[in-house]
Amino acid sequence: LAKTTQPISMDSYEGQEVNITCSHNNIATNDYITWYQQFPSQGPRFIIQGYKTKVTNEVASLFIPADRKSSTLSLPRVSLSDTAVYYCLVGDEARDDKIIFGKGTRLHILP
Amino acid sequence: EPEVTQTPSHQVTQMGQEVILRCVPISNHLYFYWYRQILGQKVEFLVSFYNNEISEKSEIFDDQFSVERPDGSNFTLKIRSTKLEDSAMYFCASSDTSNQPQHFGDGTRLSIL
Repeated sequence: LAKTTQPISMDSYEGQEVNITCSHNNIATNDYITWYQQFPSQGPRFIIQGYKTKVTNEVASLFIPADRKSSTLSLPRVSLSDTAVYYCLVGDEARDDKIIFGKGTRLHILP
Repeated sequence: EPEVTQTPSHQVTQMGQEVILRCVPISNHLYFYWYRQILGQKVEFLVSFYNNEISEKSEIFDDQFSVERPDGSNFTLKIRSTKLEDSAMYFCASSDTSNQPQHFGDGTRLSIL
């Protein structure tokens, strides 16, 4: 049974901010939230990980509300090259010895 | 930034033949993984490897599959007798500790004819 629910696909335009929300109603106390990105014909790439509130790095921001039942990956001012599949993973879906990928969100950036 | 490199980028093999996919993990990493992605489907875990032994494997990783770290730099996946359904992208990944993100290579596209 999947631990997360995220939209199958999203479209946006260059220069826009894109927010991808992931639901994880049954997140456990010790679970971290991890996001990976996969460009066409490439391997997945770690983007960001967080536990609560807000985390920001050079690629994205991750917003986690107090109840932690959802999280939002925010990509500022996207470009065509941000077209990719984005995977939200919770707890042991991204654990030490294996990652269990879902179908992710296919983000398509339009000119 | 250090990268995981995989060779070849594309491998075409006749059904029933053996194939070896090669990976060079990031040099100071200790944990190694193989995943596969059939066209249009999810990325699936195959096997994890640490301290020269398999730490976990999935149901996909049956007796036809094996992994090896023959020297200090390479990590290989061997499929002994390939089947049509083995056609997929195969990704190698590595991490430096057990609780750090995994770094993936760009994959080998395996086509079985």
